[in-house]
Amino acid sequence: EAQVTQNPRYLITVTGKKLTVTCSQNMNHEYMSWYRQDPGLGLRQIYYSMNVEVTDKGDVPEGYKVSRKEKRNFPLILESPSPNQTSLYFCASSYKKGHNYEQYFGPGTRLTVT
Amino acid sequence: GEDVEQSLFLSVREGDSSVINCTYTDSSSTYLYWYKQEPGAGLQLLTYIFSNMDMKQDQRLTVLLNKKDKHLSLRIADTQTGDSAIYFCAERIGGSSNTGKLIFGQGTTLQVKP
Repeated sequence: EAQVTQNPRYLITVTGKKLTVTCSQNMNHEYMSWYRQDPGLGLRQIYYSMNVEVTDKGDVPEGYKVSRKEKRNFPLILESPSPNQTSLYFCASSYKKGHNYEQYFGPGTRLTVT
Repeated sequence: GEDVEQSLFLSVREGDSSVINCTYTDSSSTYLYWYKQEPGAGLQLLTYIFSNMDMKQDQRLTVLLNKKDKHLSLRIADTQTGDSAIYFCAERIGGSSNTGKLIFGQGTTLQVKP
């Protein structure tokens, strides 16, 4: 089944403790991205990757890192989490269909930083 | 700048039509999307429209695009309780760069009363 998976789905952690949220897709998509969803703000892009070893900042990259060593995986790293990073995180992958990009979202990771 | 605006809440009775509205600012938008998010789930692509189209119909869903006013709407005919969810409007920007970046609105919570 074609899908985007994220782990963990739920995480409660403390300020300053490094964490990684994994994202994996089995559709051989080149383009992947991370978003955070906050009430009243919709989804905002954190980082994106157009292919292996090619990553770039989105709109809210501060406090986050990513890597793209393999096509299927795009982990999100929080080196020193802070309470303002408490949010719902979505990974997405997409491919080009004609002139359009069809984007598939993972189920989300709810992160709480105390 | 890039901005997408939606009203935050809409309540309708089962069987009525729902109309969710969205405005955007970036005139270089190529595709505009509607996503549905059910409680505890990721985003599911409902439909999309290319910027040179005025209307797209897909079963109970009708998308209207007024490019002059930068206004997008989603009409759901015969709304059912299963349609209760958050609906996100999104625009793809970047023109010829084809990054696939999406700008999301804040989301409209649709409540369907029996």
